[in-house]
Amino acid sequence: KQEVTQIPAALSVPEGENLVLNCSFTDSAIYNLQWFRQDPGKGLTSLLLIQSSQREQTSGRLNASLDKSSGRSTLYIAASQPGDSATYLCAVCETSGSRLTFGEGTQLTVNP
Amino acid sequence: EPEVTQTPSHQVTQMGQEVILRCVPISNHLYFYWYRQILGQKVEFLVSFYNNEISEKSEIFDDQFSVERPDGSNFTLKIRSTKLEDSAMYFCASDRGSYNEQFFGPGTRLTVL
Repeated sequence: KQEVTQIPAALSVPEGENLVLNCSFTDSAIYNLQWFRQDPGKGLTSLLLIQSSQREQTSGRLNASLDKSSGRSTLYIAASQPGDSATYLCAVCETSGSRLTFGEGTQLTVNP
Repeated sequence: EPEVTQTPSHQVTQMGQEVILRCVPISNHLYFYWYRQILGQKVEFLVSFYNNEISEKSEIFDDQFSVERPDGSNFTLKIRSTKLEDSAMYFCASDRGSYNEQFFGPGTRLTVL
């Protein structure tokens, strides 16, 4: 059974810092991995999708990497801003059209 | 930009009552999903739906739950007899079947009293 773990559970940084969020998964036979952002009491916003054949994806100040063989992904946020404060969720999909298995999330606070 | 919509945003019901949560997936998407998130816990998969039938369901999705796509746009989740432990945020998601990037709705907060 696939298990997804995110470290750290919470992170507080000053504005402007670069930071890395970590995600690990137990079964490396994945189809893709998605990173989401969740604001309190709100839905999930898709940030980046990495296919299993890819090593990284970039969108603006966000860069996600995937090392499938070691069961790890990282989300790098450059030049963090207070508006980046949210919970970041990692989720893996094992086959096309199948469920996402989520981690517990990292709650990020960026202090002005 | 197309988005997944869900109604209502908040539903309060008495234990034992039936509830129907509604979703309108993105129009050209082929796969539809329901997830739930109990307060303070992980997002959990409930069910996926493709080609007018359930393609996968979790152990949570027992006989009290059902899904339907009654027309070309709506996707519903019915809970027949709600329990206190059904209180959660319920998310609908859809994807178009290539790349399988899932897009989520804003959620329905279900409170069972």
